[in-house]
Amino acid sequence: GEKVEQHESTLSVREGDSAVINCTYTDTASSYFPWYKQEAGKSLHFVIDIRSNVDRKQSQRLIVLLDKKAKRFSLHITATQPEDSAIYFCAASGDYGSSGNKLIFGIGTLLSVKP
Amino acid sequence: GGIITQTPKFLIGQEGQKLTLKCQQNFNHDTMYWYRQDSGKGLRLIYYSITENDLQKGDLSEGYDASREKKSSFSLTVTSAQKNEMAVFLCASSRSNQDTQYFGPGTRLLVL
Repeated sequence: GEKVEQHESTLSVREGDSAVINCTYTDTASSYFPWYKQEAGKSLHFVIDIRSNVDRKQSQRLIVLLDKKAKRFSLHITATQPEDSAIYFCAASGDYGSSGNKLIFGIGTLLSVKP
Repeated sequence: GGIITQTPKFLIGQEGQKLTLKCQQNFNHDTMYWYRQDSGKGLRLIYYSITENDLQKGDLSEGYDASREKKSSFSLTVTSAQKNEMAVFLCASSRSNQDTQYFGPGTRLLVL
């Protein structure tokens, strides 16, 4: 089955710098790639997603890139702020039709933004 | 907008006990999910339900039962709690089986 690997378990950046979190997946049929943010003691909060019909998507300071050939996708957070500090999870899902949107998650990256 | 509520927030059980977790959503979403989150392991899908009265097994269904009583609610039962088990159970919902999933606040389980 699908496996999602999240390459950075921890990441530390200075406030104002960019942060990049990388994920790879194994199933070429995967077509949907969401990212979630989890702050300490809280649940997952959806931040941005990308579908396989595009290779780049931006929402304010968040950019997601998708390289289908390499089966790799990444989250770029520009001009980081201390409130960006959290665990970020990537996920991938195939086109399962009537079986539903079964997300496979990476293990998470703990991002620390230092003032 | 809408909200997902999960009850209870914290659940302490005894080994072998049957425990039930509840989830309610007022998004009017068709699809609901139960995930388990363990430290260092990401999230794993236990059960999901595409629509009312539907039930599908995820990758981690052994040891659990689920029930979609009505469109707005989805409950999960741990059939026999394992000693020293500690995890967070997250409920999610999405408009359809192809849309963005939104998560509830979680139920934290500890088995003594």
